[in-house]
Amino acid sequence: EAQVTQNPRYLITVTGKKLTVTCSQNMNHEYMSWYRQDPGLGLRQIYYSMNVEVTDKGDVPEGYKVSRKEKRNFPLILESPSPNQTSLYFCASSLAATNEKLFFGSGTQLSVL
Amino acid sequence: EDQVTQSPEALRLQEGESSSLNCSYTVSGLRGLFWYRQDPGKGPEFLFTLYSAGEEKEKERLKATLTKKESFLHITAPKPEDSATYLCAVHPPGSTLGRLYFGRGTQLTVWP
Repeated sequence: EAQVTQNPRYLITVTGKKLTVTCSQNMNHEYMSWYRQDPGLGLRQIYYSMNVEVTDKGDVPEGYKVSRKEKRNFPLILESPSPNQTSLYFCASSLAATNEKLFFGSGTQLSVL
Repeated sequence: EDQVTQSPEALRLQEGESSSLNCSYTVSGLRGLFWYRQDPGKGPEFLFTLYSAGEEKEKERLKATLTKKESFLHITAPKPEDSATYLCAVHPPGSTLGRLYFGRGTQLTVWP
């Protein structure tokens, strides 16, 4: 089954404790992206990757890191999480950036205390 | 300033009562406009892509249209299962291909 898999689904952590949210797709997609969704603000793009070893910033990259060492994986790293990073995070992928159909994961609800 | 504005924020319809959702955008020379549906607790699901003014696309009870400044998502004779948040997104011109801007969504509730 074609899918984008995020883990974990829920995460509660404390300020400053490094964490990684994993994202994996099984569709051989070139393009992957991370979004955060906050009430009243909608989906905001954090980082995206056009292909392996190619990443770039979205609207809200501060406090986040990403890497794309393999085509299927695009982890989101919070080196020192803060409470304002409490949010619902979505990973998405598509065949290419020019391909309009994004496939989204089920989301990761992160709470930073 | 938001690049994409959706209205209304919330809409309640009785089953069978047709209506439209609006998505307006400030960029010119759009590379593409997209509609997604999001159910509670899930990731958005792709519905339509529109590229040029005058273009229309349909899927079951949904029809998306595009003008030079806005897009409409028309819902004909909605059913309770159409209840969801509908998101609009744009691929602006002049930016890196990978950028995508989403509106804040319209939360649609259809009651029996």
